[in-house]
Amino acid sequence: AQSVAQPEDQVNVAEGNPLTVKCTYSVSGNPYLFWYVQYPNRGLQFLLKYITGDNLVKGSYGFEAEFNKSQTSFHLKKPSALVSDSALYFCAVRDGRNTPLVFGKGTRLSVIA
Amino acid sequence: NAGVTQTPKFRILKIGQSMTLQCTQDMNHNYMYWYRQDPGMGLKLIYYSVGAGITDKGEVPNGYNVSRSTTEDFPLRLELAAPSQTSVYFCASSFPRVGGGQNTEAFFGQGTRLTVV
Repeated sequence: AQSVAQPEDQVNVAEGNPLTVKCTYSVSGNPYLFWYVQYPNRGLQFLLKYITGDNLVKGSYGFEAEFNKSQTSFHLKKPSALVSDSALYFCAVRDGRNTPLVFGKGTRLSVIA
Repeated sequence: NAGVTQTPKFRILKIGQSMTLQCTQDMNHNYMYWYRQDPGMGLKLIYYSVGAGITDKGEVPNGYNVSRSTTEDFPLRLELAAPSQTSVYFCASSFPRVGGGQNTEAFFGQGTRLTVV
């Protein structure tokens, strides 16, 4: 069965600094990997995905993520954090196209001005 | 497009009451899902459906029932509400029907915050 680990409950970063939110996964087949963001009292918004191809994928709001097959990781990154990036971030994995998404526990990102 | 619409947004139930959480999508997706979100626990899959007339249990199905009579609608039923079902419930959908493209990400509704007292 697939699983996702987000080892940090909370990440704090100063505005303007680079940010990284970590994610590792476990699947039996080829992984389909996703990042979602959740703002207070809102649903989840899709940020980016890795299906196949380039290991570095770019998504919404300047975010990107790097797929590393050997380390089974899919860390979310942004070169320069904004206060408005403060939110709850979820990593998710699907084992093939026809299975439901499995989510990590989420990482709360706090960007301090 | 409205996307995925959930109703109601908030609800307070008494122990033992029943209710149905409504979910509808207008994106012609054949896959639909129900998740619950508890603080610090991420999202847990309750039930999912790969198309009209087909449903499957997820990780935490006990105490819930679903039906999928149409492509658009996927209601979640709580028959005997318990305090352990206090949570935020999210409906999601993905995969266009045949000919609809290659999207694989799920689209989420705004959630239903349920409190059982």
